[in-house]
Amino acid sequence: AQSVTQPDIHITVSEGASLELRCNYSYGATPYLFWYVQSPGQGLQLLLKYFSGDTLVQGIKGFEAEFKRSQSSFNLRKPSVHWSDAAEYFCAVVPRGTNAGKSTFGDGTTLTVKP
Amino acid sequence: GAGVSQTPSNKVTEKGKYVELRCDPISGHTALYWYRQSLGQGPEFLIYFQGTGAADDSGLPNDRFFAVRPEGSVSTLKIQRTERGDSAVYLCASSLIGQGNTGELFFGEGSRLTVL
Repeated sequence: AQSVTQPDIHITVSEGASLELRCNYSYGATPYLFWYVQSPGQGLQLLLKYFSGDTLVQGIKGFEAEFKRSQSSFNLRKPSVHWSDAAEYFCAVVPRGTNAGKSTFGDGTTLTVKP
Repeated sequence: GAGVSQTPSNKVTEKGKYVELRCDPISGHTALYWYRQSLGQGPEFLIYFQGTGAADDSGLPNDRFFAVRPEGSVSTLKIQRTERGDSAVYLCASSLIGQGNTGELFFGEGSRLTVL
């Protein structure tokens, strides 16, 4: 069965430290891949997406993600975390050629930022 | 407004009652989606509209759930005979592009439904 896993339910980092959030998927072929952020009182917002091409993808707010086919992973990274990055982060996948709105979402990783 | 608007933001109801949740998408967006997000989980796809028609309702959990979009803009998610297990945040999203494309989704803040 197709699935997406975010192994870390909760991560705490200090402000200014680097961040990596993990995402693993299980699909028959490389799907389209997305990262979203959900801040309190706000709707989900797309951070970045991978369809094809360069496996290192740049997104908004200084985030990037690297697609690794051999590991079926699409980990999200940020070199220096800001207090405003505290939020819940969701990885999402959808089979190639399928409407992005039918994405399967992981269960999310909650990020806490320590001052 | 500029973004996707959902009302009510919170709804508390009793088991067995009927509930309607409304979504007002970004003006001009032809595609509209409904999701359900249970506590501690990611959003789960329910139904997708392209224009006025439901292009894909494969995510609706049972026939108590129904959604309409009569004029191709505002959509209403309708839940009959609510059950405690229906308690969740119901999210709506819209995009410029629909089936076969990968237009960015814009999400509303959601409607939190609590069934007592």
